[in-house]
Amino acid sequence: QVHLVQSGAEVKKPGASVKISCKASGYTFSKNSILWVRQAPGQRLEWMGWISPGNGNTQYSEKFQGRVTITRDTPASTAYMELSSLKSEDTAMYYCARGRFFYGSGNYYDYWGQGTLVTVSS
Amino acid sequence: DIQMTQSPSTLSASVGDRVTITCRTSQGISTWLAWYQQKPGKGFKLLIYDASSLESGVPSRFSGSGSGTEFTLTINSLQPDDFATYFCQQYNSYSPLAFGGGTKVEIK
Repeated sequence: QVHLVQSGAEVKKPGASVKISCKASGYTFSKNSILWVRQAPGQRLEWMGWISPGNGNTQYSEKFQGRVTITRDTPASTAYMELSSLKSEDTAMYYCARGRFFYGSGNYYDYWGQGTLVTVSS
Repeated sequence: DIQMTQSPSTLSASVGDRVTITCRTSQGISTWLAWYQQKPGKGFKLLIYDASSLESGVPSRFSGSGSGTEFTLTINSLQPDDFATYFCQQYNSYSPLAFGGGTKVEIK
């Protein structure tokens, strides 16, 4: 059974960075892309970027380019999303999701993590 | 980038009703569209992909249709478990991934 389990809630100060993990189980981690999205209060879902764990290829949304880094630890079946230079507007629930296919582009997402709340406050 | 317009934003319905949610895209995306259900504290569930293909394990009362720029998600005979928020997502590989604004289905 496929599961994506994310790390716990974080509270950060403006200017800091946050790194969230997404541990996959129940399938071969390298065969499916992992997407990161966020959902801020009252806002629509925003995609942040994706990684193909099999080759490490990534693509980032222009909105977050330069602030977001997505990595993976293939032996640990874990993907990570790090967001830097945090602002109060980055307060949101962050989700990882498994793509049906290897590449993140042109993909839809069949399993989702439970979400990680990141609060940015001074 | 492709803009996604989902309507209505909120829908009040009763158990047994037929419900239709619409998703429009600013550019044609063929049938590269998925629908998801989100429940508080339960994450997202894939319902429909390729505009009309039912994901395995999803009840047959859910159906999707459309192509190009206009798509619909229909729930036949709404069940208590279906009160949730629904999102569309386009995955045309020539454009950045995008989501609709969501439709909250509430109990009338």
